[in-house]
Amino acid sequence: DAGVIQSPRHEVTEMGQEVTLRCKPISGHDYLFWYRQTMMRGLELLIYFNNNVPIDDSGMPEDRFSAKMPNASFSTLKIQPSEPRDSAVYFCASSFAGRATEAFFGQGTRLTVV
Amino acid sequence: LAKTTQPISMDSYEGQEVNITCSHNNIATNDYITWYQQFPSQGPRFIIQGYKTKVTNEVASLFIPADRKSSTLSLPRVSLSDTAVYYCLVGDKIRYSSASKIIFGSGTRLSIRP
Repeated sequence: DAGVIQSPRHEVTEMGQEVTLRCKPISGHDYLFWYRQTMMRGLELLIYFNNNVPIDDSGMPEDRFSAKMPNASFSTLKIQPSEPRDSAVYFCASSFAGRATEAFFGQGTRLTVV
Repeated sequence: LAKTTQPISMDSYEGQEVNITCSHNNIATNDYITWYQQFPSQGPRFIIQGYKTKVTNEVASLFIPADRKSSTLSLPRVSLSDTAVYYCLVGDKIRYSSASKIIFGSGTRLSIRP
């Protein structure tokens, strides 16, 4: 398996634009996580899914953020409208039940909002 | 919600053994202790996990005393490539839940010198 795949690797956008980050988890994994990492706040859990169902989105900063998982092999994190303070590295990770805390992370998407 | 406390940074030299201690006074009965490693510009990588006593793999050893209120990650004979941030986390290994969220703290920034 190629691991967790995220796209794009880098994204530069203007304030107010919509941004969509994509993630393909490892096949067979039951859990999918979206994290955000900044120097100031470290790694923050935004939302996680179990069997494609969003379980806890309490980490999503505001209504401008939304995440979907239409099937077991694809998830998106959307920011609309984007703001400069959203600039961060966004990671997607997945794991499977029985080894839930052994998550595999993607390479991340570095988002810059100007 | 279990929390962890670990040193912000540590320095060592190539060839030395490095021990990073993590405190988790409120660890729950079902919680496992998990350590991740993160290199710059990469996502965190799972390195080791344990419940009690000692666990060893090809990368590290994990020592957990009987009361489980702390744990020590041991890296034998470190090299420059071990320079990274190391995170200690506690959580239910089997299933992930909002009641037992896995929170990445600030981690320990390990710097290895020649």
